[in-house]
Amino acid sequence: EAGVTQSPTHLIKTRGQQATLRCSPISGHTSVYWYQQALGLGLQFLLWYDEGEERNRGNFPPRFSGRQFPNYSSELNVNALELEDSALYLCASSLGPFTQYFGPGTRLTVL
Amino acid sequence: AQSVSQHNHHVILSEAASLELGCNYSYGGTVNLFWYVQYPGQHLQLLLKYFSGDPLVKGIKGFEAEFIKSKFSFNLRKPSVQWSDTAEYFCAVNANTGRRALTFGSGTRLQVQP
Repeated sequence: EAGVTQSPTHLIKTRGQQATLRCSPISGHTSVYWYQQALGLGLQFLLWYDEGEERNRGNFPPRFSGRQFPNYSSELNVNALELEDSALYLCASSLGPFTQYFGPGTRLTVL
Repeated sequence: AQSVSQHNHHVILSEAASLELGCNYSYGGTVNLFWYVQYPGQHLQLLLKYFSGDPLVKGIKGFEAEFIKSKFSFNLRKPSVQWSDTAEYFCAVNANTGRRALTFGSGTRLQVQP
C-alpha cells in the first residue's frame, strides 16, 4: 500500500513569492493534515482538512491556506513568503480520528 | 493549550544498553498518545500509540511505552538498543476534543554506538 506522498521534494522561492505544496493521502483516508517543522521550533500543527472542508487551524497567519480536492488530495499555499517560512512541511493523513501517517515532506527554502 | 515536554534532547548509548525516554504532557482531559520515530534520511513513522485500555503498549521493533495518568507521562522504553535504533524520537499528544491537532515534543536524538 502506498503511503502519503508529497511534491515537490524541495522548493526554493524568494521573499514575497507564493509557494504551493501538494499532498496525496493514503488510499481510503479522508483527512489530511499539514504540519511545519522549522528549525528550533519543532513540529507545529498548521491545518486539518476533512471531506473538502477546513476543520481546524493552528496558530498561523491567514497567508497560510489550503484546500482539499474531491479525491482527498490537498494543497498548501503560502502567500507573501517570509524568510522564517523556510521549513520542512509535512503532510499526514488518517482514516477518521485515528492515527496520522506522515509523508516525506517538502523542504521550502525562502531566499 | 496542551504542551509536551521531552526532557532528554540528546542521548548516547552503547548497543545492548537499556533505553528510557521521558515524555510529559500538560492537559487535564482525555488524551491520545503517540511516539513517532524519524530514522536518518527517512520520514516520520509511527512507533506506537495509546488510545485507551492497557496503559502498557507495545510497538514495533521491541519498543514499549507506559501511560501513567497520574504523572501525565508516556515514557518510551526498550530493554536493549541496537545501532539501527539511532534516530530522532518524538512524543505527540492529541487532546480528545475532536480537533485532531497533534502537539509534538521537541524530540530526542538517540545515538547508539556499536
